[in-house]
Amino acid sequence: QVKLQESGPGLVRPSQTLSLTCTVSGGPINTRSFYWTWIRQPAGKRLEWIGRFFSDGGTIYNPSLKSRVTISVDTAKNQFSLELTSVTAADTAVYYCAGGVGYVHNWYDPWGQGILVTVSS
Amino acid sequence: DIVMTQSPDSLAVSLGERATLNCKSSQSILYSSNNKNSLAWYQQKPGQPPRLLIFWASTRESGVPARFSGSGSGTDFTLTINNMQAEDVALYYCQQYYSSPYTFGQGTKLEIK
Repeated sequence: QVKLQESGPGLVRPSQTLSLTCTVSGGPINTRSFYWTWIRQPAGKRLEWIGRFFSDGGTIYNPSLKSRVTISVDTAKNQFSLELTSVTAADTAVYYCAGGVGYVHNWYDPWGQGILVTVSS
Repeated sequence: DIVMTQSPDSLAVSLGERATLNCKSSQSILYSSNNKNSLAWYQQKPGQPPRLLIFWASTRESGVPARFSGSGSGTDFTLTINNMQAEDVALYYCQQYYSSPYTFGQGTKLEIK
């Protein structure tokens, strides 16, 4: 059973870069079974899809964040990562990593537990 | 982007009764390749990640109780919870995966009356 766990700093200063890592256990990350995805949820707001990485090397990002986001994979560590540059208070949210299921277009299962990232000086 | 709108925002249902949650997409999410609707439903309890309940609008995920069912087509969808249980108190979200960026509804809060 594949499990995911987010890690990273819980506090990031405005204008800095948010960096999070998702560790995958229970299966190899270089699988064609999942699209490795980041999703976030600001307090009291709806879930927002950030982007995904697939084993063929393809990445897709939400156009609303595309200029600031990079998702990458470290096959040796069985991890994938999120970098979000030039953060503001609007980027404060619980960040989830998730496995996207389905051919090309995805629903999500499993999910990590989530990590709260606060952007504040 | 496809906008997902859920109704009502909150709903109170008596134990043992039926809960009906609605989700509307701003355009059709019927996937022509397989004639299925690209819609998923999730349950989220406080402090937990979302849990997948339903995909392809009506296919129940393994391990999800049979009292949860999904229906609808095109732009209008429903999640029905029969025989409401105390453990069903949660937020419920719909998600379209017809086109990127994949989008979620604002959620329906389900409570016990």
